[in-house]
Amino acid sequence: DAKTTQPNSMESNEEEPVHLPCNHSTISGTDYIHWYRQLPSQGPEYVIHGLTSNVNNRMASLAIAEDRKSSTLILHRATLRDAAVYYCILRDLSLIQGAQKLVFGQGTRLTINP
Amino acid sequence: EPEVTQTPSHQVTQMGQEVILRCVPISNHLYFYWYRQILGQKVEFLVSFYNNEISEKSEIFDDQFSVERPDGSNFTLKIRSTKLEDSAMYFCASSLLEAKNIQYFGAGTRLSVL
Repeated sequence: DAKTTQPNSMESNEEEPVHLPCNHSTISGTDYIHWYRQLPSQGPEYVIHGLTSNVNNRMASLAIAEDRKSSTLILHRATLRDAAVYYCILRDLSLIQGAQKLVFGQGTRLTINP
Repeated sequence: EPEVTQTPSHQVTQMGQEVILRCVPISNHLYFYWYRQILGQKVEFLVSFYNNEISEKSEIFDDQFSVERPDGSNFTLKIRSTKLEDSAMYFCASSLLEAKNIQYFGAGTRLSVL
């Protein structure tokens, strides 16, 4: 799996936007960019994924650089409940056969200040 | 909203004892996974399971580990003879056949080996 690089930690204030960066300079053409998060004392939770175009869902937005070597997860208005470790993971969805494991890095620990 | 359920939430055992961790995946999901997270470390893949057989397993998943889907709803992880280093959070996950990249995780079982 292609490697991703994320800052160890970030801090933001409640009700402000948060931009979580991820670098993936060795990404291949068939790698999708996924984001998961892990709230305290919980299992990981899917957030969003995309290939080339920017993506929006009810949880967040994903902005993907034109060269796909980096991406940014955007929380538009952070709440205290968004405090979690955020993981950027690449998955090759062209691999049709078999289940696909998720390979977690250390992620970015996001702290939200009230 | 459907969720993955894991029991027990906390399991304490003596070294050398067998433990079985139980999971009820989301009902229409066909791919099942176990991951573990040692305190303060990354989430690590253990094994994936589809169509009543193991799809992939990691180096961690040695002969002391086994998985089973004993009926139509449960998915279990057995550790035959626990070691101190097996102490960790164990997460079960499941995914749809057509969306293997989106895995739904349970809240985990904390295994403490004394």
